[in-house]
Amino acid sequence: EAQVTQNPRYLITVTGKKLTVTCSQNMNHEYMSWYRQDPGLGLRQIYYSMNVEVTDKGDVPEGYKVSRKEKRNFPLILESPSPNQTSLYFCASSPRPARFYGYTFGSGTRLTVV
Amino acid sequence: EDQVTQSPEALRLQEGESSSLNCSYTVSGLRGLFWYRQDPGKGPEFLFTLYSAGEEKEKERLKATLTKKESFLHITAPKPEDSATYLCAVQVPQGAQKLVFGQGTRLTINP
Repeated sequence: EAQVTQNPRYLITVTGKKLTVTCSQNMNHEYMSWYRQDPGLGLRQIYYSMNVEVTDKGDVPEGYKVSRKEKRNFPLILESPSPNQTSLYFCASSPRPARFYGYTFGSGTRLTVV
Repeated sequence: EDQVTQSPEALRLQEGESSSLNCSYTVSGLRGLFWYRQDPGKGPEFLFTLYSAGEEKEKERLKATLTKKESFLHITAPKPEDSATYLCAVQVPQGAQKLVFGQGTRLTINP
């Protein structure tokens, strides 16, 4: 089944403890992206990647890192999480150009930083 | 600044009662407008892409239309399983395939 898989689904952590949220897609898509979803603010792009080793900032990149060493994987790294990073996170992927194919989203990771 | 506004924020309908959701946008150079459905606790599910004014697309009880300033998602004779949050997003030239999302319309269909 074609899908975007995120892990974990739920995570509670403490301020400052480094964490990684994994994202993997099995559709051979070039483009991958991370979004966060917050009440009243909607979905906002954090980082995106056009292909292996090609990444760039979205609208809210502060406090996050990403890497794209393999085409299928695009992990999101929080080096020193803070409470304002408590949110629902989504990974998405698409072939290029996305305007013809749409984006496939993962099921989400609900992160709580205390 | 690229902006997407959806209305209403929430809509409650009776089963079979048709209605429309609105998505208005201000972007410099629209590459595409997307409609997604999101169920609680799940990721957005792709419904439609519209590229140019006058374009229409249909899927079951849903029909999306596009003008130069807004898009409508028409829901005809809805059923309770159509209850979800409907998200509108526009793709802008900047940031390579970046989507700018509206805040969504939460639709509830009562049996």
